[in-house]
Amino acid sequence: GAVVSQHPSRVICKSGTSVKIECRSLDFQATTMFWYRQFPKKSLMLMATSNEGSKATYEQGVEKDKFLINHASLTLSTLTVTSAHPEDSSFYICSFRRGAGVADTQYFGPGTRLTVL
Amino acid sequence: AQSVTQPDIHITVSEGASLELRCNYSYGATPYLFWYVQSPGQGLQLLLKYFSGDTLVQGIKGFEAEFKRSQSSFNLRKPSVHWSDAAEYFCAVGAGSGYALNFGKGTSLLVTP
Repeated sequence: GAVVSQHPSRVICKSGTSVKIECRSLDFQATTMFWYRQFPKKSLMLMATSNEGSKATYEQGVEKDKFLINHASLTLSTLTVTSAHPEDSSFYICSFRRGAGVADTQYFGPGTRLTVL
Repeated sequence: AQSVTQPDIHITVSEGASLELRCNYSYGATPYLFWYVQSPGQGLQLLLKYFSGDTLVQGIKGFEAEFKRSQSSFNLRKPSVHWSDAAEYFCAVGAGSGYALNFGKGTSLLVTP
């Protein structure tokens, strides 16, 4: 199966600082990728959809100026949490979409645990 | 709007016993349906998916799921559970190819000796 990596796996930062999370597809190229956020004991909530070379489309309630997404290439996307606050503490998961139609599948990274003090 | 309901937050089964995890969805058309498993430190892994055709879908690790349109359900089953199956299981719905997924809240599976 396809492999997606995320870095870092865990990060602790002070309130007011910015944190960058990298998401890479290691063995395939993907035009479309997604960023999700997962709260403890909760489902994954879609934050944004990103197509390579285009601006990301954010879900309602997600601040685009706070969660900056850069989909720089077909194998790399970054999520930057700017001026992080404790309420931004969460588990962030990326996925890359591969295939189309019945072959359409999302491949997920292992996630990044962000703790803002 | 799409919604996915996993009624069971936690399920405990004995190793070797059968397993069924429930998933109900609400959607106007036939959605794309998925089951993922999440283990600590690992990304979500796709177990199986249903787009169309045969309503009984076979997946990896011995799992299967059955799409029942009349019940708006897509329950996951395994005839004999192994200790390594202990994990969090998510049912997800997609509006179609290329769409992001709408996840249920997950069911945590505990396997006892």
